[in-house]
Amino acid sequence: AQTVTQSQPEMSVQEAETVTLSCTYDTSESDYYLFWYKQPPSRQMILVIRQEAYKQQNATENRFSVNFQKAAKSFSLKISDSQLGDAAMYFCAYRSAWTSGTYKYIFGTGTRLKVLA
Amino acid sequence: SQTIHQWPATLVQPVGSPLSLECTVEGTSNPNLYWYRQAAGRGLQLLFYSVGIGQISSEVPQNLSASRPQDRQFILSSKKLLLSDSGFYLCAWSVLAGEGETQYFGPGTRLLVL
Repeated sequence: AQTVTQSQPEMSVQEAETVTLSCTYDTSESDYYLFWYKQPPSRQMILVIRQEAYKQQNATENRFSVNFQKAAKSFSLKISDSQLGDAAMYFCAYRSAWTSGTYKYIFGTGTRLKVLA
Repeated sequence: SQTIHQWPATLVQPVGSPLSLECTVEGTSNPNLYWYRQAAGRGLQLLFYSVGIGQISSEVPQNLSASRPQDRQFILSSKKLLLSDSGFYLCAWSVLAGEGETQYFGPGTRLLVL
């Protein structure tokens, strides 16, 4: 079974600085997707970025980028020019193979990011 | 564009009372629907998913049940709530779009069982 591990329960970053959130996963599948979701205080989960495992190029969405190391099974999220609105819980997620008409998502336990003014 | 609604937003219920949480999706057809629970300080646990009307798959044995009476409606229920049912319940949807399928979440329901 696949697992997702986020080893940093909490991180802090100064406004305008860069921070990297770590995520590792375990799987025997070769094709899969990885995601980062943001959960602000409102608690609605918002998709931040996704990465296709068969693509070597790291995904980028504005100030958010990932460092995807497939061999190491590592998927870290880099937030550049941190803003106060980035303060949230961040979840790493793994999308498993198609089974019984759906994909299943396995989530890590999250990293709480604090942004200091 | 697609939107997903959940209600109620917050619910306080006594132990042993029934539960009904509703999730509806607009702007899409035949979505896959999911119920997750998030306990305090933890990640998301998949409870149920549905790939079509009347089709429910359960991931975790519990006193909760789910139903999908309409294409874009997903209901989470319980006949008798337990203290351990407290948590934040999230509904999510996805539409099969080849390899690019992604789940999108509703605003959630905060349930407190006393």
